[in-house]
Amino acid sequence: DTAVSQTPKYLVTQMGNDKSIKCEQNLGHDTMYWYKQDSKKFLKIMFSYNNKELIINETVPNRFSPKSPDKAHLNLHINSLELGDSAVYFCASSQDRTSGQETQYFGPGTRLLVL
Amino acid sequence: AQSVTQLGSHVSVSEGALVLLRCNYSSSVPPYLFWYVQYPNQGLQLLLKYTSAATLVKGINGFEAEFKKSETSFHLTKPSAHMSDAAEYFCAVSPQGGYQKVTFGTGTKLQVIP
Repeated sequence: DTAVSQTPKYLVTQMGNDKSIKCEQNLGHDTMYWYKQDSKKFLKIMFSYNNKELIINETVPNRFSPKSPDKAHLNLHINSLELGDSAVYFCASSQDRTSGQETQYFGPGTRLLVL
Repeated sequence: AQSVTQLGSHVSVSEGALVLLRCNYSSSVPPYLFWYVQYPNQGLQLLLKYTSAATLVKGINGFEAEFKKSETSFHLTKPSAHMSDAAEYFCAVSPQGGYQKVTFGTGTKLQVIP
């Protein structure tokens, strides 16, 4: 069983479109994250949710809106896609958010290409 | 504030040679430190982590790292490289006692030459 899964794996779309990426974890973790990895492999956190509550919201354009219907799911909706949004988006989860030492478990990534 | 610096974006070693990937950190509070590995077209997975229990940390696949506070370093080593070690390696830091906000380094791509 895949611990952290993301759909779709690849996403090619036109500028200006709206798209969503879904993430699910079956590890029973309380905390989930979205990261963006650019073409130079730089990995930057975008959002973090703990038990459906937003706890980290980095300086991300408000075109990006995370939604957590329950603690096992964290979806990412992107409005009005721009060329600069092209990247690999990773979902991750961890057991706890407060200790700082928790291992994060990453999904396989969603490769987004905006044309 | 916290950050990590990985020296060398690309490292090449011969199969069987020592692997040394360098990481230096900066943190205003005692840190937790991590090494993650990313194989092509996959997500990151944990190699090892320092959680203040022991300064020499052993991880999966024969890797280990040593926390040196005086040098603010957490270098990753493996005595003998294998072809399957070819991947991107990320050092990361998280503050002790705080929210789980992990800051990743820019990564080091390890190439293993047969």
